Amino acid sequence: NAGVTQTPKFRVLKTGQSMTLLCAQDMNHEYMYWYRQDPGMGLRLIHYSVGEGTTAKGEVPDGYNVSRLKKQNFLLGLESAAPSQTSVYFCASSSNRDLYEQYFGPGTRLTVT
Amino acid sequence: GDSVTQMEGPVTLSEEAFLTINCTYTATGYPSLFWYVQYPGEGLQLLLKATKADDKGSNKGFEATYRKETTSFHLEKGSVQVSDSAVYFCALKRDTGFQKLVFGTGTRLLVSP
Repeated sequence: NAGVTQTPKFRVLKTGQSMTLLCAQDMNHEYMYWYRQDPGMGLRLIHYSVGEGTTAKGEVPDGYNVSRLKKQNFLLGLESAAPSQTSVYFCASSSNRDLYEQYFGPGTRLTVT
Repeated sequence: GDSVTQMEGPVTLSEEAFLTINCTYTATGYPSLFWYVQYPGEGLQLLLKATKADDKGSNKGFEATYRKETTSFHLEKGSVQVSDSAVYFCALKRDTGFQKLVFGTGTRLLVSP
């Protein structure tokens, strides 16, 4: 039981490049989330999903797109990376059996130069 | 809107010292309250939670009491260890159906031998 996994762990992009971050969970959770973590700002929600085929915007969605084609996967895309998107990205998942506890992945450190 | 305010860190303590990390919140209704911990290089994990006023959450020697009258959920531990060094996040969830977590900015704890 791996829980929540994220790939890649680290990535360096040049401004304007694109990439996709993959989140996978093996707990059959309905809800999945993408956060970014920046110094002094805590965690901010980018996008989330309440089920397969659904997505919704969080606090800071601009510059990101997401897809949830399969229940276990939640992809975060950056179409044209900017230095302001340098951050640590965390994926999380939760279940309607216990909406309180979100399970987090280990994070992806992204640097945009 | 809903918000969580935590004391700024870092909090620096010697091993076996008493720990308090302050957390206050602003929310309508009766939110659920949480403390998450993030160890170096890892994602967040739930430390403890309380779902109604006067509830006390506890885990691994940490405690926090849900105080409705002061809108607070301060984290305490009687005797910290070096292994408690981490970043601690206070969070709330409004209790009406599916709601996203609102996180504080985090407080770094450094415990020296």
